[in-house]
Amino acid sequence: AQSVTQPDIHITVSEGASLELRCNYSYGATPHLFWYVQSPGQGLQLLLKYFSGDTLVQGIKGFEAEFKRSQSSFNLRKPSVHWSDAAEYFCAVGDNFNKFYFGSGTKLNVKP
Amino acid sequence: DVKVTQSSRYLVKRTGEKVFLECVQDMDHENMFWYRQDPGLGLRLIYFSYDVKMKEKGDIPEGYSVSREKKERFSLILESASTNQTSMYLCASSFTSAAGELFFGEGSRLTVL
Repeated sequence: AQSVTQPDIHITVSEGASLELRCNYSYGATPHLFWYVQSPGQGLQLLLKYFSGDTLVQGIKGFEAEFKRSQSSFNLRKPSVHWSDAAEYFCAVGDNFNKFYFGSGTKLNVKP
Repeated sequence: DVKVTQSSRYLVKRTGEKVFLECVQDMDHENMFWYRQDPGLGLRLIYFSYDVKMKEKGDIPEGYSVSREKKERFSLILESASTNQTSMYLCASSFTSAAGELFFGEGSRLTVL
């Protein structure tokens, strides 16, 4: 069965520091992978997605993610975090039947 | 701009009441979804619909039903609300194209007393 694991529940980084949020998935075929961000009290917004091709994908707000098939991972990165990046981040995998499976989320706190 | 609109941001209901959560999208998407979001559990799929009058159960359909009479509108119904249905409910929609991305509404926070 498809599943998504985000091993870090909370992460705190200092403003200006680099960020990496981990995501591991379990899926039999070539996955469609997504990262979404949720600000407090809001719905989810797509940051980036991977369907095929180049394994390093660029997204909005300066985020990028790298698909590593051998590790079943799709980690999200940002070289320099801003205070406005504080939010909850969700990794998701989509299957060929238009269903989506989400991780449990990682809450990011940004220290001034 | 693409838009998924959920009719109520905050609701407070009593145990046993019937609850309707409405969702409308203006993007002509085929697929619509209802998710439940709880801390530490991420998003869990309740129901989804891939066409008018078509629906499929997700991972946690018990205690819920849905209705899709028009392409743009997808309703979630709690026939008899219970306290364990207190949660954030998120509606989303997508095109039918090999797991196209989801577009989300802002969510409806339901409290059942």
